[in-house]
Amino acid sequence: KNEVEQSPQNLTAQEGEFITINCSYSVGISALHWLQQHPGGGIVSLFMLSSGKKKHGRLIATINIQEKHSSLHITASHPRDSAVYICAVGAYNFNKFYFGSGTKLNVKP
Amino acid sequence: DGGITQSPKYLFRKEGQNVTLSCEQNLNHDAMYWYRQDPGQGLRLIYYSQIVNDFQKGDIAEGYSVSREKKESFPLTVTSAQKNPTAFYLCASSRAGGGAYEQYFGPGTRLTVT
Repeated sequence: KNEVEQSPQNLTAQEGEFITINCSYSVGISALHWLQQHPGGGIVSLFMLSSGKKKHGRLIATINIQEKHSSLHITASHPRDSAVYICAVGAYNFNKFYFGSGTKLNVKP
Repeated sequence: DGGITQSPKYLFRKEGQNVTLSCEQNLNHDAMYWYRQDPGQGLRLIYYSQIVNDFQKGDIAEGYSVSREKKESFPLTVTSAQKNPTAFYLCASSRAGGGAYEQYFGPGTRLTVT
């Protein structure tokens, strides 16, 4: 059983659409992280959150600790948003991260 | 500029050879990590280090070795004992160990063993 489950695995959208990627986890966490991996392979951190909601530009991340669920939203999607989005949780009391398998997003112009 | 560097970007080796992947950071981070990524799979932890001269095995440490002699450097050696070494390897660092600190990733090394 994976400690972190993401859905959907693949997502195709038209430019301008509102996008939601979901993440559920089964362990106690210190924080949840949303990462973005571009086709070249490099990974950047988008958000780190342990409660509530964070917003950065067109990206919004929310977390519900009781339900062990987080969502990443992209408003007004653009082809440059095409990437793999990875949910990761920092496990409480353990010095490690658990990673979801990623959601591959393709935004068409 | 602060960041993490990995070299080389692409690496080709013959089966049976050991190979060492470089990871350097100038962020003054205590914790460093090595991950492996295979197509269609999530990142898997190979080794991590929370402080100089100390490191712990991750989920898939067999066939790999590391050292942490300097705070800035955390090289990974892929030994001939690793049965399926062809993969994308990512190094990361964070201010401290534990999951509550943002991880910064290097650009990765794509290793091909034939």
